[in-house]
Amino acid sequence: QSVLTQPPSASGTPGQRITISCSGSGSNIESNTINWYLQLPGAAPKLLIYGNNQRPSGVPDRFSGSKSGTSASLAISGLQSEDEADYYCAAWDDSLNGWVFGGGTKLTVL
Amino acid sequence: QEQLVESGGGVVQPGRSLRLSCVASGFTLSTYAMHWVRQAPGKGLEWVAVISYDGTNKYYADSVKGRFTISRDNSKNTLYLQMNSLREEDTAVYYCASALVVAAAFDYWGQGTLVTVSS
Repeated sequence: QSVLTQPPSASGTPGQRITISCSGSGSNIESNTINWYLQLPGAAPKLLIYGNNQRPSGVPDRFSGSKSGTSASLAISGLQSEDEADYYCAAWDDSLNGWVFGGGTKLTVL
Repeated sequence: QEQLVESGGGVVQPGRSLRLSCVASGFTLSTYAMHWVRQAPGKGLEWVAVISYDGTNKYYADSVKGRFTISRDNSKNTLYLQMNSLREEDTAVYYCASALVVAAAFDYWGQGTLVTVSS
């Protein structure tokens, strides 16, 4: 069981907007910033969103992040077939003194 | 271009040891905190350990505490993970990743090295 909770799957059609949720607790998401990672099939993870809502250079503005209390969300607008991937949230946990990941959400573009 | 390359994976029997390495190119490892993250076959990401830029602070996941040791040699631009008393549940692809500080996002990742623990 992951410390951060994500839905195992999500889906959408091209052009649609979808959101992926990430639920935690006061010792992780509420106290620290949340980061999101994308993992394409057969590839290493890649940083997608850091500091709750910041995009690294090269990440399209179709991707956005938000946080409220003990929950966070990743939104993808203008869905494209190449967005099919696994998405993970992660945060530092003050109680565990370590990083925790969500279980991952597999996004399918129909 | 910044690149991290892991090595040292392989097949090992339960109870034995293995040491992984991660070499950085295109940037100076000594200015970054460094992590190990693993992914069991068909499973999600699991954080393993982190070491501060100068090696003074180290943190471990409970699942590996007391068995794994993270270390670094900044003169060789290299990160290590010494894995002792290996268990079958340690079977995974092990990634190294860099971060500005211990509690910052993992910005660069290696391609991973596969460790299989099996009798």
